[in-house]
Amino acid sequence: KAGVTQTPRYLIKTRGQQVTLSCSPISGHRSVSWYQQTPGQGLQFLFEYFSETQRNKGNFPGRFSGRQFSNSRSEMNVSTLELGDSALYLCASSRGQGGYNEQFFGPGTRLTVL
Amino acid sequence: DQQVKQNSPSLSVQEGRISILNCDYTNSMFDYFLWYKKYPAEGPTFLISISSIKDKNEDGRFTVFLNKSAKHLSLHIVPSQPGDSAVYFCAASENDYKLSFGAGTTVTVRA
Repeated sequence: KAGVTQTPRYLIKTRGQQVTLSCSPISGHRSVSWYQQTPGQGLQFLFEYFSETQRNKGNFPGRFSGRQFSNSRSEMNVSTLELGDSALYLCASSRGQGGYNEQFFGPGTRLTVL
Repeated sequence: DQQVKQNSPSLSVQEGRISILNCDYTNSMFDYFLWYKKYPAEGPTFLISISSIKDKNEDGRFTVFLNKSAKHLSLHIVPSQPGDSAVYFCAASENDYKLSFGAGTTVTVRA
């Protein structure tokens, strides 16, 4: 069974630009969660989508947004990029929503903001 | 506010010995705890979990201990193997809500 895929794997942008990251979950998984990983901060929860609806949201500014499509694929968008947005963005899929369900992570998208 | 803390950023252990990773949390409502392992250039993978109604869960070489009164959990790896060299993340969930992760501990197993 194919794992979680994320595209692109690496991205370089400049301040003020916007970026869209994509995540394809494992077949049959309906929940997709997004995390930001930075050194010393671990994984910070961004949001979770289940059946095309945002179910949970972390403490990130409104510049961070996402959506989920009917095939469970998800996109995350960051507008007006700042230097501090440089991070590894991970998405994880699970069969059901919430923290009790085992999450399967993709390899991440490494975003560098110059 | 970091509700899950891993105060040791790194741990070095001899092959064959025990690795003990520690995790503290502040939210007494957390009722489910997990450990994830991450290799470079890969996403984290689930390792082991424990519900708050238990104080120990074992899976092969991996054992997780939970001390609710101290709001502390630990992961024991016995014996440690070179393939265990990775970053380990502790995570917790409250009432099936989102996962809160610690900052991670990098384990290096020396031959």
